Amino acid sequence: DAKTTQPTSMDCAEGRAANLPCNHSTISGNEYVYWYRQIHSQGPQYIIHGLKNNETNEMASLIITEDRKSSTLILPHATLRDTAVYYCIVPSGYGNKLVFGAGTILRVKS
Amino acid sequence: DAGVIQSPRHEVTEMGQEVTLRCKPISGHDYLFWYRQTMMRGLELLIYFNNNVPIDDSGMPEDRFSAKMPNASFSTLKIQPSEPRDSAVYFCASSPLSEAAMNDNEKLFFGSGTQLSVL
Repeated sequence: DAKTTQPTSMDCAEGRAANLPCNHSTISGNEYVYWYRQIHSQGPQYIIHGLKNNETNEMASLIITEDRKSSTLILPHATLRDTAVYYCIVPSGYGNKLVFGAGTILRVKS
Repeated sequence: DAGVIQSPRHEVTEMGQEVTLRCKPISGHDYLFWYRQTMMRGLELLIYFNNNVPIDDSGMPEDRFSAKMPNASFSTLKIQPSEPRDSAVYFCASSPLSEAAMNDNEKLFFGSGTQLSVL
């Protein structure tokens, strides 16, 4: 898997947008960027993924730079329940084999 | 669908005992994964199956660990004999990826995990 780099932790005020960055400078042309999160004591949960274009779903938005070397996950209106570890993953090769790094601990504070 | 179901939710055992963790994937999913999570090492992929066949077991730490998938709706992860350093949360996940989808569908659905404590 292409290596990703994320900040160790971030804080966000409740109701504000949370912007979580991820660097993936070694990403190749056909590799997707995936985001998962893990809330305390639960299994990881899929959030969103993208290739080139920006993506949005009911949970978040994903902004991928034009050179695809970095991306930002945006939670538009963070709530206390969004406090979790957020993982940015670039899987490579056939086989659906996701390798999780350390992720970013997001703390949403009231 | 009830999602990926794991049992037991918690397991406490003594060193040297055999431990069996169970997983029922989401119906129709072709891939099944076993992960282990500890504070020190984070989430580690242990093994995964495609259509009940083990594809990659390079993450299995030792011969004490074994995994089986006798049919599409059931998998086990067994540790025999267990050791205190095996204490961790073990997650099972399944995925509907098809060969045609390649990595445009790396959506894994995780169970709630089994918290294993080996004393």
